[in-house]
Amino acid sequence: EAQVTQNPRYLITVTGKKLTVTCSQNMNHEYMSWYRQDPGLGLRQIYYSMNVEVTDKGDVPEGYKVSRKEKRNFPLILESPSPNQTSLYFCASSFQGAKDSPLHFGNGTRLTVT
Amino acid sequence: AQSVAQPEDQVNVAEGNPLTVKCTYSVSGNPYLFWYVQYPNRGLQFLLKYITGDNLVKGSYGFEAEFNKSQTSFHLKKPSALVSDSALYFCAVRDLSYSGAGSYQLTFGKGTKLSVIP
Repeated sequence: EAQVTQNPRYLITVTGKKLTVTCSQNMNHEYMSWYRQDPGLGLRQIYYSMNVEVTDKGDVPEGYKVSRKEKRNFPLILESPSPNQTSLYFCASSFQGAKDSPLHFGNGTRLTVT
Repeated sequence: AQSVAQPEDQVNVAEGNPLTVKCTYSVSGNPYLFWYVQYPNRGLQFLLKYITGDNLVKGSYGFEAEFNKSQTSFHLKKPSALVSDSALYFCAVRDLSYSGAGSYQLTFGKGTKLSVIP
């Protein structure tokens, strides 16, 4: 089954404790992206990747890191989480070659930073 | 810069009645437009898209959307609402004409919560 898999689904952590949210897709998509969803703000892009070893900032990259060492994986790293990073996070992927290609989303990771 | 506005935070409709969820967009060139639906505790699911051609686009679960270039709108519609349509709906835009860095970026609206009342 074609899918984007995020782990974990739920994560509670404390301020300053490094964490990684994993994302993997099995559709051979070049383009991958991370979004955060907050009430009243919709979805905002954090980082995206056009292909292996090619990443760039989205609209709200502060406090986050990403890497793209393999085509299928695109982990999101919070080196020193803070309470304002409490949010619902989504990973998404699509074919790069066509701008009409819709994004495929994972089921989300709900992060709470205390 | 591209942007999307969904003017209604919430839409309530009775089961069996037609529904409309509104979306307006702003791009410098020509738009690619998308609608997504989000059910509780799930990721966003693609419903339909407008690329070019017929202004009325049909998608999944009986939904359709009408593209209006003069009004820069892309409203989502369904002739007869079901209780199971209750969810959060997002409109999104991508600028076809932009070819710089981030040109694949999809900009989302803030979402509209649809409640279908039995």
